Order: sequence, then C-alpha cells, then structure tokens
Amino acid sequence: QKEVEQNSGPLSVPEGAIASLNCTYSDRGSQSFFWYRQYSGKSPELIMFIYSNGDKEDGRFTAQLNKASQYVSLLIRDSQPSDSATYLCAVNENDYKLSFGAGTTVTVRA
Amino acid sequence: GAVVSQHPSWVICKSGTSVKIECRSLDFQATTMFWYRQFPKQSLMLMATSNEGSKATYEQGVEKDKFLINHASLTLSTLTVTSAHPEDSSFYICSAPGLAGGSGEQFFGPGTRLTVL
Repeated sequence: QKEVEQNSGPLSVPEGAIASLNCTYSDRGSQSFFWYRQYSGKSPELIMFIYSNGDKEDGRFTAQLNKASQYVSLLIRDSQPSDSATYLCAVNENDYKLSFGAGTTVTVRA
Repeated sequence: GAVVSQHPSWVICKSGTSVKIECRSLDFQATTMFWYRQFPKQSLMLMATSNEGSKATYEQGVEKDKFLINHASLTLSTLTVTSAHPEDSSFYICSAPGLAGGSGEQFFGPGTRLTVL
C-alpha cells in the first residue's frame, strides 16, 4: 500500500468554527481521493470523493485537491458537535484498492 | 447507496478456536470485496482482496493460512480466523466497490468486533 499521511491531531475546534484537515500522499499516479468519517466503534462512512484539481463543495464540507503538491484537504464549515469523529483520508491505488491515512480526530466543543 | 452487511457484529471466543465472519452485498453483486482490520486508535489496514470464483489476494504480512477467505457467490465473502489468539482481537471490516465505475468508491460493512480470550 502507498503512503498516506494526515496531520496527527487531535483537532479541537469551537462550535461554528472551521475545521481544516490535511492529507498528503506518496503515489503521484493516484487518481481518486476520499474523505471518510468514522465514529468510535463504527465503520467508515463516505463524506466526499474528489478526483479533479480544485475545490469540491457538498453542504458544509469542501474538499480541495492539488495533484502537483500531492495534497488533499477537507474543510468543515460551521462545525457541529455531531462532527466530532475521526476523519480518514483514503487514496485509490488501482482496482478499487484504497490506502488509508492514520486519521485525524476532531472534537467540536459546544 | 449500496448496502453491505456483516455478521456477526461482535463475537467473543476462546483462544484456539476458529471464527467465521460473513460479508454480504445486499442489493448489488460484488465480484470483488475487501477485508480490513483495525486495531484501537489505528487506521484501517487492508488484509486481502476477495475475488469471486478465485483465490483471494493477500497483502504483505498477512498469513493466508490463518485468515481464510472464501468468495463463493457474487453477494457473499467470508473471512475465517483460524486458531484465533488474543492478538487477533480487532475490528474486522469488509467493503465492496461501488456500482459506478471509475470513482473507486467503496461501501463498507458495519464491522465485526472480535475479542479472543
């Protein structure tokens, strides 16, 4: 599996603030990039995927991809206590295999 | 989205016994499924790729004789942990690729918590 690095966290933000999560990957040939949210004791659930350079917005979430810098980020606007979870960055290798980062734990303070 | 189920959701067993975990795609067919393992406070580690009608492909460092994978139909893959030991206690999660080609999206099952005493 290829290397996927995430900022270690934990990240604590006040309710209503923006949470910014970063991820870098080693394989320049990677094509698809995913952000999953995982609550404690549960399996990951997909938040967003992106495969074109630039920004992709979905509600309060924005994914940003820069293939030249091998960097993908996730912004959570207007953070809510329910956003408190571990966020996993995943990169598609080939044949649908995913390499996951270690995850960043986010805590939103009410 | 597509639904993937796992059974059981949790299991406790004695050391030395074997445990079978089922992964089913409920509303779609999956020629490929993936098995992951996640230890506490760690990320998901891919164990193997399960291929319908053929042998599974194991990741480096995963013992294929200990973690037996059978993908006998287009909707069912099973993982059997043979002669389980306490160090095999973990959260086992399966996934299947989405229907839409190209995106690489995977649908995850709810996971199985294995505790070996």
